[in-house]
Amino acid sequence: DIQMTQSPSTLSASVGDRVTITCRASQSISSWLAWYQQKPGKAPKLLIYKASTLESGVPSRFSGSGSGTEFTLTISSLQPDDFATYYCQQYNSYQTFGQGTKVEIK
Amino acid sequence: EVQLVESGGGLVQPGRSLRLSCAASGFTFDDYGMYWVRQGPGKGLEWVSGISWNSGSIGYADSVKGRFTISRDNAKNSLYLQMNSLRGEDTALYYCAKGRKLAVAGQIDYWGQGTLVTVSS
Repeated sequence: DIQMTQSPSTLSASVGDRVTITCRASQSISSWLAWYQQKPGKAPKLLIYKASTLESGVPSRFSGSGSGTEFTLTISSLQPDDFATYYCQQYNSYQTFGQGTKVEIK
Repeated sequence: EVQLVESGGGLVQPGRSLRLSCAASGFTFDDYGMYWVRQGPGKGLEWVSGISWNSGSIGYADSVKGRFTISRDNAKNSLYLQMNSLRGEDTALYYCAKGRKLAVAGQIDYWGQGTLVTVSS
């Protein structure tokens, strides 16, 4: 099975900060990676798929990059609505989620 | 409008069974892979199982393999999860989720609101 490891687990940041979250796969997954945002009590929301394709309606301050085993999600200028937990997901071989990164207010 | 409505959750004793259902609407159900994803209390997301558009490809997480069975009825626009030999660690909110592709794996573009399963004596 493919394991996904996100870092950091928690990230403290301020509005306007540039934020980067990393996700590593235990083996190559090509570009079959998605990123989700989840707020408390809500279902996750798709942000990015195929490593770098922005989902329709998602603000352009979100971007994704990487291929193979290392991937990043970047928020270029953190907004109040962005404080949430973020998950990566590989879908090269069935599916696996990372353990999540909570972005909290500094 | 895409809607995924889960049902069937509840309190169940360890070792017993439960069947979850997901009623889908607002899209052509048999054009997409469907999945079950769970989230334990205060924990992260865990993919449980996936099924391709025609049930030809099915997958399970190791944690549920041999105990859970996923199925779908395209005529009824419904997805199911039969859960047997339930354990305390199966306690979670179970989400029904729609894939973007026909396949058993893919990005998830819609989620239900979840149904809560609590396994306890």
